Amino acid sequence: GGIITQTPKFLIGQEGQKLTLKCQQNFNHDTMYWYRQDSGKGLRLIYYSITENDLQKGDLSEGYDASREKKSSFSLTVTSAQKNEMAVFLCASSRIRDREVFFGKGTRLTVV
Amino acid sequence: AQKVTQTQTSISVMEKTTVTMDCVYETRDSSYFLFWYKQTASGEIVFLIRQDSYKKENATEGHYSLNFQKPKSSIGLIITATQIEDSAVYFCAMREVTEGADRLTFGKGTQLIIQP
Repeated sequence: GGIITQTPKFLIGQEGQKLTLKCQQNFNHDTMYWYRQDSGKGLRLIYYSITENDLQKGDLSEGYDASREKKSSFSLTVTSAQKNEMAVFLCASSRIRDREVFFGKGTRLTVV
Repeated sequence: AQKVTQTQTSISVMEKTTVTMDCVYETRDSSYFLFWYKQTASGEIVFLIRQDSYKKENATEGHYSLNFQKPKSSIGLIITATQIEDSAVYFCAMREVTEGADRLTFGKGTQLIIQP
């Protein structure tokens, strides 16, 4: 078995601030994803990566940067936090073509 | 353009009945994977079932089964003998794996309420 660890669990930032969210997985998975989930809404893909140093934009990449320096970790940066950005950010990972995609427990972002 | 569409925002059924949730998708790939996940009240996202596009047989897992209609780009989730604990938000997702890409796109979700 393995686990996906997202840090921090809660993040409070100020408007305009640059904020970084981290995700680690010990499954040895190739692909990692970042999603944003607004309250009561679906998951929107921000960035994903199929291997170390690979980055691919999702539907919601504007205003975000991502980094995959190691296979086991994938970080997401909010380049300038906005008040309408308050949401839960979910990290996920999988081996390509695998049966299942595994999710972390999320980072809840609040912008004040 | 939205690639995975769930038109039902909320469904309410009585316990022990059967419920179907709809999902349609768009893709240009000849091979893709379709998933259903549920999100519990705690926020946890749980894998339920998967359908590979090249398989004609509908997938089944316990009291979950799929109605895969490839010509209609449709993948419905059927839950039989529903229980109170099936109350959750259900997401349909499509995974497109091509050379150099592995994109997983979700629908907006359907809230399922099981009434006692």
